[in-house]
Amino acid sequence: DIQLTQSPSFLSASVGDRVTMTCRASQDIRNYLAWYQQRPGKAPKLLISTASTLQSGVPSRFSGSGSGTEFTLTISSLQPEDFATFYCQQLNSYPLTFGGGTKVEI
Amino acid sequence: VQLVQSGGEVKKPGASVKVSCKASGYNFESNGIAWVRQAPGQGLEWMGWISPYNSNINYAPRFQGRLTLTTDTSATTASMELRSLTSDDTAVYFCARQIWPNCFDNWGQGTLVTVSS
Repeated sequence: DIQLTQSPSFLSASVGDRVTMTCRASQDIRNYLAWYQQRPGKAPKLLISTASTLQSGVPSRFSGSGSGTEFTLTISSLQPEDFATFYCQQLNSYPLTFGGGTKVEI
Repeated sequence: VQLVQSGGEVKKPGASVKVSCKASGYNFESNGIAWVRQAPGQGLEWMGWISPYNSNINYAPRFQGRLTLTTDTSATTASMELRSLTSDDTAVYFCARQIWPNCFDNWGQGTLVTVSS
């Protein structure tokens, strides 16, 4: 199975901050990585697929980059509604796997 | 697009649980349905995927043998049955619409399954 390691696990930031988080894969997954946002008590929301493709309706302050084994999610200017947990997911092969999450806190 | 799941369940260890997921707003046979669970305070875990079009299935190895995914195309409903429950199966179970290339763009609201004696 492909393991995904997200860092940091927790991130403390303020509104307006630029925030970057990382997802590392245990083997080459090309650009087959997605990012999700999950607010407490809610289902995850797909933000980005294939490493950098922003989903329709997702604000442009979110961006993704990377390929191979190292990927990043950047929020250019953190907004109050962005305080949540973010998960990466590899799309390359079954079984599909998720990272452990990065919780963005105030 | 909407996925509406059945309500919460409380089960005893060793029992089985079946959760349903009613899809609407799109062509049900055009996309796979995946099941993902989340234990309390934990991360997301992919359980498996089924194609309503041809019933192709892929299960995560750790659930092989006690997980069954099915679909009813006439009712546009997918179902997940998990057997031989233990307390470790206490979690919120989500269904999600799978899009290329294997990510999930629409999710059900989640169903809490509690396993307790």
